Amino acid sequence: ETGVTQTPRHLVMGMTNKKSLKCEQHLGHNAMYWYKQSAKKPLELMFVYNFKEQTENNSVPSRFSPECPNSSHLFLHLHTLQPEDSALYLCASSQDEGRGPYEQYFGPGTRLTVT
Amino acid sequence: DAKTTQPPSMDCAEGRAANLPCNHSTISGNEYVYWYRQIHSQGPQYIIHGLKNNETNEMASLIITEDRKSSTLILPHATLRDTAVYYCIVRVGWGGSQGNLIFGKGTKLSVKP
Repeated sequence: ETGVTQTPRHLVMGMTNKKSLKCEQHLGHNAMYWYKQSAKKPLELMFVYNFKEQTENNSVPSRFSPECPNSSHLFLHLHTLQPEDSALYLCASSQDEGRGPYEQYFGPGTRLTVT
Repeated sequence: DAKTTQPPSMDCAEGRAANLPCNHSTISGNEYVYWYRQIHSQGPQYIIHGLKNNETNEMASLIITEDRKSSTLILPHATLRDTAVYYCIVRVGWGGSQGNLIFGKGTKLSVKP
């Protein structure tokens, strides 16, 4: 138990569906992150939020839309995804993205399958 | 791209020390060495980090060479639960793109009975 929870743990969606992934951290951190891990590929950073402001978008397609309403919650809204978007989506948090060196704590991930 | 080089796989006998090497010959003076591990299909878990000095915590020890071009993560008494992919990452100690965690392929450690 890392203090970072993600729901749902598994999700199957069609290419025309709209769904959302949720992440919540109970660590009092101010920075939150979305990562993608495709089969047999390294983790890829997608988005970074610090104090609710997006500080990094790593050239992610617009069909992925993040939302950070407060420092404890992070969402990833999904629409019109492609089968190649099937992957493990991981959320992480750290004390502060702007100052460090702070370690990141990861959630268990959401296993997404796009059919 | 990852700035570190790690062997793709290693085996270790249960109860023995696991020594995982990492080469980071281009490390800058302001970059830290971080170690994470990922047990199958779970989120990565932070292990330890260091800048110049050797570090130890309840999970592991980190030995950094004097020239900082390589390091070794030591799990003193490996158990079957330590079977995972271990990632060595270098990053600056602050935010921005230079402070991002860039994961490579890591070392798959298999602890055997």
